[in-house]
Amino acid sequence: QLHQQESGPGLVKPSETLSLTCTVSDGSISSSTYFWGWIRQPPGKGLEWIGNIYYSGSTYYNPSLKSRLAISVDTSKNQFSLRLSSVTAADTAVYFCTRSPRRMLTFGGLTVPPIDLCGQGTFVIVSS
Amino acid sequence: EIVLTQSPGTLSLSPGARATLSCRASQSLTSNYLAWYQQKPGQAPRLLIYGASSRATGIPDRFSGSGSGTGFTLTITRLEPEDFAVYFCQQYVISPYTFGQGTKLEIK
Repeated sequence: QLHQQESGPGLVKPSETLSLTCTVSDGSISSSTYFWGWIRQPPGKGLEWIGNIYYSGSTYYNPSLKSRLAISVDTSKNQFSLRLSSVTAADTAVYFCTRSPRRMLTFGGLTVPPIDLCGQGTFVIVSS
Repeated sequence: EIVLTQSPGTLSLSPGARATLSCRASQSLTSNYLAWYQQKPGQAPRLLIYGASSRATGIPDRFSGSGSGTGFTLTITRLEPEDFAVYFCQQYVISPYTFGQGTKLEIK
């Protein structure tokens, strides 16, 4: 059973915009229970946090990507989306959509909880 | 940016052995906001531990986390064949929420 799944083009040209959508099938994306977000993993490398969005609309972006990044929510479709502009080969990676439960912030704080669920991931290649 | 350094890079052990993985932070992690993940080839990361020592839902009790401040440990007692994978730590104290570079746990 897929609780959430990424979709979008697997190939994007350099300087263009990478757009991915995550469809959530288990629970309402409007709930205050979870933060929704994205991480990525270049081939053979480690994990990089991209950003998150909360039901209130608050966004949390990796400063290294902030100028090119937008994460949004479509509550009518129970989906959230990633847009990364001006891509280069360095943006080639497997992109995972993520869910982070607010309850894991044991001591509160204005931060994003760890990831308790990921989509299966989608590989995006940036190439002409 | 908080840098997380994991050691060793690769750990070779036999099934039934005990594994000890380390994650060191470049600055103190308040509230012990440190998580551990397991990742197998072609799969998404799976949360094992959050808050440095709390097991996530469905995680066997052979997995345990400890530590505070800048030094954290993931211990796996009695390794099972399915435990051989790559393990990442992540801090969620200060943005950007960085990951360690990973420890590969391989069968000896």
